[in-house]
Amino acid sequence: EAQVTQNPRYLITVTGKKLTVTCSQNMNHEYMSWYRQDPGLGLRQIYYSMNVEVTDKGDVPEGYKVSRKEKRNFPLILESPSPNQTSLYFCASSPLGAGGTDTQYFGPGTRLTVL
Amino acid sequence: SQQGEEDPQALSIQEGENATMNCSYKTSINNLQWYRQNSGRGLVHLILIRSNEREKHSGRLRVTLDTSKKSSSLLITASRAADTASYFCAPSILAGGTSYGKLTFGQGTILTVHP
Repeated sequence: EAQVTQNPRYLITVTGKKLTVTCSQNMNHEYMSWYRQDPGLGLRQIYYSMNVEVTDKGDVPEGYKVSRKEKRNFPLILESPSPNQTSLYFCASSPLGAGGTDTQYFGPGTRLTVL
Repeated sequence: SQQGEEDPQALSIQEGENATMNCSYKTSINNLQWYRQNSGRGLVHLILIRSNEREKHSGRLRVTLDTSKKSSSLLITASRAADTASYFCAPSILAGGTSYGKLTFGQGTILTVHP
């Protein structure tokens, strides 16, 4: 089944404790992206990747890191989480067409709470 | 902001009625996509309309695109209680002349369909 998986689905942690949220897709998509969703602010892009070893900042990259060593995986790293990073996080992937991004496939989300 | 902006922010209708949601954006696009999100879940792609298309249908969904007005609308006909969800438009923005498009999301329209 074609899908985007994220782990963990729920995470409660404390300020400053490094964490990684994994994202994996099995559709051989070039484009992958991380978003955070907060009430009243909609979905905001954190980082995106056009292909292996190619990553770029989205609209709200501060406090986050990503890597794209393999096409299928795009982990999101919080080196020193803070309470303002408490949010619902989504990973998404998409094929890249001649005109740009096409349909994005979203993971189920990771609800992160930083105390 | 370059993101799509949905209108209205909330819409409440009775089962069987039609629901219309509008989207405006500010820059040139290569396509515009509509997504649906059930509470706290991942976004699901509904329909994609390309910049050279004016109208597209998929089941009970009808999407229009007016690039001269930089606007789109999503019509759901004969709504059902199961259509209750948040709906997002996502313009795929042409970025700096490169061949890819950044996908940006608005805050969504919350649709409630009463049985």
